[in-house]
Amino acid sequence: EDQVTQSPEALRLQEGESSSLNCSYTVSGLRGLFWYRQDPGKGPEFLFTLYSAGEEKEKERLKATLTKKESFLHITAPKPEDSATYLCAVRSNDYKLSFGAGTTVTVRA
Amino acid sequence: EPEVTQTPSHQVTQMGQEVILRCVPISNHLYFYWYRQILGQKVEFLVSFYNNEISEKSEIFDDQFSVERPDGSNFTLKIRSTKLEDSAMYFCASSPLSGPLHFGNGTRLTVT
Repeated sequence: EDQVTQSPEALRLQEGESSSLNCSYTVSGLRGLFWYRQDPGKGPEFLFTLYSAGEEKEKERLKATLTKKESFLHITAPKPEDSATYLCAVRSNDYKLSFGAGTTVTVRA
Repeated sequence: EPEVTQTPSHQVTQMGQEVILRCVPISNHLYFYWYRQILGQKVEFLVSFYNNEISEKSEIFDDQFSVERPDGSNFTLKIRSTKLEDSAMYFCASSPLSGPLHFGNGTRLTVT
């Protein structure tokens, strides 16, 4: 069964203080690793898809990277509006994503 | 930008009652999903639906659950006899043949 572990569970940052979130995974045949952002009371919002080791994707202050065992989401110079729970998910077949428990990021002004 | 829409946003029901949660997926998507998230816990897969049939389901998706695509646009999740432990946020999602899932903003189900 696919396993996704995210760390840390929670991260408190000062505005401008860069940091990284980790997602380690065990899957039989990776068919994509996905990062989502979830705000309270809302559904997951798609950020990135990574398919192969060495791949990187960027969007504003966020950058996602992938190795054979883990993925990192780097937040550069975060702002308060980056506060959210960041979810990692993996797909091993056509039909479902398996999610990690998420990292809740709080950015203080 | 097209989005997945879910109704109602909040449903309160009594234990033992039937509920139907509704979703309108993105129109050109081919795969449809239901996930749930119990308060403070991870997002859990319930069921996926492709080509008018269930393609995969989890252990959570037992005989009290069913899904249907009654017409070309709606996708529904029915819970026949709700239990207290069914209280959760239920998310509908859809995706194209390959690519990310796009989620709706969920229905908060409260079973009393």
